[in-house]
Amino acid sequence: QKEVEQNSGPLSVPEGAIASLNCTYSDRGSQSFFWYRQYSGKSPELIMSIYSNGDKEDGRFTAQLNKASQYVSLLIRDSQPSDSATYLCAVTHSGYALNFGKGTSLLVTP
Amino acid sequence: GAVVSQHPSWVICKSGTSVKIECRSLDFQATTMFWYRQFPKQSLMLMATSNEGSKATYEQGVEKDKFLINHASLTLSTLTVTSAHPEDSSFYICSARDPQGRVDEQFFGPGTRLTVL
Repeated sequence: QKEVEQNSGPLSVPEGAIASLNCTYSDRGSQSFFWYRQYSGKSPELIMSIYSNGDKEDGRFTAQLNKASQYVSLLIRDSQPSDSATYLCAVTHSGYALNFGKGTSLLVTP
Repeated sequence: GAVVSQHPSWVICKSGTSVKIECRSLDFQATTMFWYRQFPKQSLMLMATSNEGSKATYEQGVEKDKFLINHASLTLSTLTVTSAHPEDSSFYICSARDPQGRVDEQFFGPGTRLTVL
């Protein structure tokens, strides 16, 4: 069974702080890595994709990938209450379906 | 990003009836679409992978005769829940892969909330 593990949380951070979300995966052959945001009752929304080791920045979001450690993370800078949601980590081989973690609930408090 | 629509957004039906859910890619042609199910406070569970013009590939434990998937065109896939029962009540979400987009990126439809009475 190919596992994607996330801490379920909730992770609580004050407004303006950095939120750090972590994800580990078991399949060493994984090639594509994604972070999705899901608000309650809504479908997932793609935030970031990352394919190679290192950091990738997009606005307030930074994805970090370390394939040797089988670890991918998402940093959210200047967290806002509107960032409060569940963040899903997804991993896949090229061409295959996404394998999702159970998600981390983030709460940004004003 | 690419846009995927679903219809209906919610449906309530009686036990024993069949329900059809449509998933459309609006601004791209999707050779591959995916159907997921999500129960409250749980993650997305892949039900099946749908390829245009061929039979869907179902995940282990998903009854193909109960969850009928048709991907007759490059922009439309349908999921029919046959003889629905209360335990089928869930949030059904489709996604599509844009072959012109980044590798493996999937774009999700808004989901269909099914309630079976």
